[in-house]
Amino acid sequence: DAGITQSPRYKITETGRQVTLMCHQTWSHSYMFWYRQDLGHGLRLIYYSAAADITDKGEVPDGYVVSRSKTENFPLTLESATRSQTSVYFCASSAYRDTEAFFGQGTRLTVV
Amino acid sequence: AQSVTQPDIHITVSEGASLELRCNYSYGATPYLFWYVQSPGQGLQLLLKYFSGDTLVQGIKGFEAEFKRSQSSFNLRKPSVHWSDAAEYFCAVGYGGATNKLIFGTGTLLAVQP
Repeated sequence: DAGITQSPRYKITETGRQVTLMCHQTWSHSYMFWYRQDLGHGLRLIYYSAAADITDKGEVPDGYVVSRSKTENFPLTLESATRSQTSVYFCASSAYRDTEAFFGQGTRLTVV
Repeated sequence: AQSVTQPDIHITVSEGASLELRCNYSYGATPYLFWYVQSPGQGLQLLLKYFSGDTLVQGIKGFEAEFKRSQSSFNLRKPSVHWSDAAEYFCAVGYGGATNKLIFGTGTLLAVQP
């Protein structure tokens, strides 16, 4: 199906473990984004990518790593998960810098 | 620094009543402004956007928003609310002149009473 999909939808992991959240889009959009959603903060930008092999930090990048070897995929890795990274993570994509962003369904991550 | 403020955390309206959700932004130049809606357990869906031109913007599901530069506001309105409108609503501004990199407000949770 066309669109933007995130996997897994739900994940529980332990403190200190590495976890990777996947994001895949079928539109060949140039831009991709990762946001986290926390109560009282709305959504905050973690990292974004303007094209394959081009990534940049957002508002809250600490503790996260991204890569973009292919246009359609933008995985987000928590190298050593902490409880403060318990959140709902949203991936988004947009065709160009001056077009709107489309969001995935989100991944609810719980770090215990 | 750019910011978005949604002063109402939680609003309850009766079905059929009118609705206005407030949004104020801070940005030096003409902003790109958005309203998104998030239903429980779902992703974000774009309701409407303002890039330039007519300051009254029509969106999906019967929503509209008005850009008021003098008040730095972009309030969302609907003349008659339906029970299915119960959701969380987010106002956002494009960061640094971009339309796709967004700064979000903290959201307003809308409850609809029968």
